[in-house]
Amino acid sequence: DTEVTQTPKHLVMGMTNKKSLKCEQHMGHRAMYWYKQKAKKPPELMFVYSYEKLSINESVPSRFSPECPNSSLLNLHLHALQPEDSALYLCASSQEGQEPFYGYTFGSGTRLTVV
Amino acid sequence: GEDVEQSLFLSVREGDSSVINCTYTDSSSTYLYWYKQEPGAGLQLLTYIFSNMDMKQDQRLTVLLNKKDKHLSLRIADTQTGDSAIYFCAVGSSNTGKLIFGQGTTLQVKP
Repeated sequence: DTEVTQTPKHLVMGMTNKKSLKCEQHMGHRAMYWYKQKAKKPPELMFVYSYEKLSINESVPSRFSPECPNSSLLNLHLHALQPEDSALYLCASSQEGQEPFYGYTFGSGTRLTVV
Repeated sequence: GEDVEQSLFLSVREGDSSVINCTYTDSSSTYLYWYKQEPGAGLQLLTYIFSNMDMKQDQRLTVLLNKKDKHLSLRIADTQTGDSAIYFCAVGSSNTGKLIFGQGTTLQVKP
């Protein structure tokens, strides 16, 4: 299995809702990432987990809450989002501490619309 | 911090070669990647090159690295309509552990 699987593919939520995005990989990768991507823009790093511990938080608002229950799973919990949070949310994974470094494997993303 | 620049748009005719360019600022960048993103999809790793290499060829793709000028290019031979997508250059440093993306080049292939 060489894929990163993200669910759901599309999500529409109101500003008072609570929802979660899920990401799964079975490649044995020990680093997992959340990125946010606006249309025709590059992905922006949000969070990095390394060996199931949060290692980087790029000053993301607290209405986004990441969770890494085990080495294969990564969640992003959403609460009280704003319309400007509408975007494609991408999950990625990579080998940790590997030299040479072969890059990240990305999922297909969750298209989030906040209404 | 690291800055990665790409031109925003390239238009070619089917069958021609496409060359997408990228410049970066951090000379300690160790790993350099090209990702492809089709509409509505995630990012697909196309190819990569390490800083101790000058060139890498993989079927229709050729990556050239000029470390002195901090310039990376991706050449796609015999460009097809299925190559139409956004191409992102990404640069990684073993110092920071982060991957920095360029703005993306939209490749339009005309029949």
